[in-house]
Amino acid sequence: GAGVSQSPSNKVTEKGKDVELRCDPISGHTALYWYRQSLGQGLEFLIYFQGNSAPDKSGLPSDRFSAERTGGSVSTLTIQRTQQEDSAVYLCASSFLPGSEAFFGQGTRLTVV
Amino acid sequence: GQQLNQSPQSMFIQEGEDVSMNCTSSSIFNTWLWYKQDPGEGPVLLIALYKAGELTSNGRLTAQFGITRKDSFLNISASIPSDVGIYFCAGQKGGADGLTFGKGTHLIIQP
Repeated sequence: GAGVSQSPSNKVTEKGKDVELRCDPISGHTALYWYRQSLGQGLEFLIYFQGNSAPDKSGLPSDRFSAERTGGSVSTLTIQRTQQEDSAVYLCASSFLPGSEAFFGQGTRLTVV
Repeated sequence: GQQLNQSPQSMFIQEGEDVSMNCTSSSIFNTWLWYKQDPGEGPVLLIALYKAGELTSNGRLTAQFGITRKDSFLNISASIPSDVGIYFCAGQKGGADGLTFGKGTHLIIQP
């Protein structure tokens, strides 16, 4: 596709369940970022991939959060045993190189009930 | 995951006014980017700056890469209702470092 694609666009899940969020970056982009955004708030950094490696995973809030990237392309963010405070929009962005312009997807709106 | 210092946090202005916001850091950055986010959307890139002292315009928007490499500003001239949104700055230190984002400036335009 032409842009960063995230799926699902919306996810409602019960507290305690696991969820997987997917990000398809722009083809050829080596850098991939995950952010979390609560309503009307700023971007909370979660994790950054360069290729398949994660040089910076300092933003993951707890060990319930994990992410992987395979083939230097698709990335999956997994949240285990979801809690209500996990409810937010999860945004993915990719860039050709670490210092070049990053392009965002539309985000996945996660609601934990 | 260090954040930049972005100010102001929010701005309430009248249509037609000029707007100025900035980002500062204690570290040197090699790249500065400015984004705008509309409600329900992902942030969209407005301007990219790659050289200290660089001044770049995109329509009514002008951004500058500070000469010290530790700051950047974004100006919007003659604001219009569709300028409403959250504006984010982002910087990259160099090498394989990822992007660092500011906390955003909420722009509200009063009729």
